[in-house]
Amino acid sequence: DGGITQSPKYLFRKEGQNVTLSCEQNLNHDAMYWYRQDPGQGLRLIYYSQIVNDFQKGDIAEGYSVSREKKESFPLTVTSAQKNPTAFYLCGTVEGKAFFGQGTRLTVV
Amino acid sequence: GQQLNQSPQSMFIQEGEDVSMNCTSSSIFNTWLWYKQDPGEGPVLLIALYKAGELTSNGRLTAQFGITRKDSFLNISASIPSDVGIYFCAGQGGATNKLIFGTGTLLAVQP
Repeated sequence: DGGITQSPKYLFRKEGQNVTLSCEQNLNHDAMYWYRQDPGQGLRLIYYSQIVNDFQKGDIAEGYSVSREKKESFPLTVTSAQKNPTAFYLCGTVEGKAFFGQGTRLTVV
Repeated sequence: GQQLNQSPQSMFIQEGEDVSMNCTSSSIFNTWLWYKQDPGEGPVLLIALYKAGELTSNGRLTAQFGITRKDSFLNISASIPSDVGIYFCAGQGGATNKLIFGTGTLLAVQP
């Protein structure tokens, strides 16, 4: 959806390396979310932030970290502690409705 | 983790048929949202519902917010091939106000 930019669209990393996925929004929305999607499955919540400088763990936060230093930005770091990091990652904002970026497909080899 | 129960898991229909899918939850929600996702893309919002009993249409799509606030359905009338994709429901509410997604319904439409 317009206003949310995830980059890059495709990302490859070696096992054991940390990697940070970018999510930027110009919608001026307070709430931002990160979801993980695996083939044939729904969206599972990793982390969410209701406001700047505050964030909460979702259902599958282990192995991930986030920061929310600016309203526009909510980067997600996939650490080496995440046992199965290869997935499609979606970032979104929520203000009455949820809007999503185009997603980043991370492949760890 | 928390997920909504969405059914059916998949549907294979002929062009022109009507389609119905639904979501149920053990929790009460204040908002129900329905999305469509094409392969490799982010979900796109179809319909948003904010009030129990609300019935909203968007072209051939109709969705309702259940009276109990624990369920919602989406109907697609006169399906066409471009309706193919994965449809997700999402609910928001409770103490944390998290946005939770259903498990998805894969729709295939044969011309």
